[in-house]
Amino acid sequence: EADIYQTPRYLVIGTGKKITLECSQTMGHDKMYWYQQDPGMELHLIHYSYGVNSTEKGDLSSESTVSRIRTEHFPLTLESARPSHTSQYLCASSDATGFEQYFGPGTRLTVT
Amino acid sequence: RKEVEQDPGPFNVPEGATVAFNCTYSNSASQSFFWYRQDCRKEPKLLMSVYSSGNEDGRFTAQLNRASQYISLLIRDSKLSDSATYLCAGLGTYKYIFGTGTRLKVLA
Repeated sequence: EADIYQTPRYLVIGTGKKITLECSQTMGHDKMYWYQQDPGMELHLIHYSYGVNSTEKGDLSSESTVSRIRTEHFPLTLESARPSHTSQYLCASSDATGFEQYFGPGTRLTVT
Repeated sequence: RKEVEQDPGPFNVPEGATVAFNCTYSNSASQSFFWYRQDCRKEPKLLMSVYSSGNEDGRFTAQLNRASQYISLLIRDSKLSDSATYLCAGLGTYKYIFGTGTRLKVLA
């Protein structure tokens, strides 16, 4: 089992609120990723990081931002939530070789 | 053309059947390959890595054909618990590229 955690698991929040989705891993992995996935649809990479102080945007344009101050922690922030942000957000990590990627349990976000 | 393509299915097979999925990839997603299993509303879980020589894990066999640019997953003696979506993924220069997934339903 991979040691990667996400909180909260479920979040229902009103439009305009600022939210931070937490992701942490205890495997010492350098690489971390955020994906967005709607039910029954494909995974979309929205952010990734190769290590501390490294963050890049992924393929899908996202209004969210990320930070990587510590190796084990990769939080995602939405400054002003909107209903279009309703989705499942999955965090993942892989080691420096990048060969095997492990996912956290996800945060299911609903913006009303 | 998508970088990683899969037949979305669904594949409905009887319990005990053998089922195979293929996944084609482009050059940008060609360093390493993986199969993931994703249950409804859950995170993808790594099922197996795919090596050039092919690899087997119990009822599951994965193979890579670089000449034709596809990877395959074979499931023998299907169980009801194998019902899920199977995602193939290729590792590109800096990121993993996932297919849209193939839905498998094993019927009693």
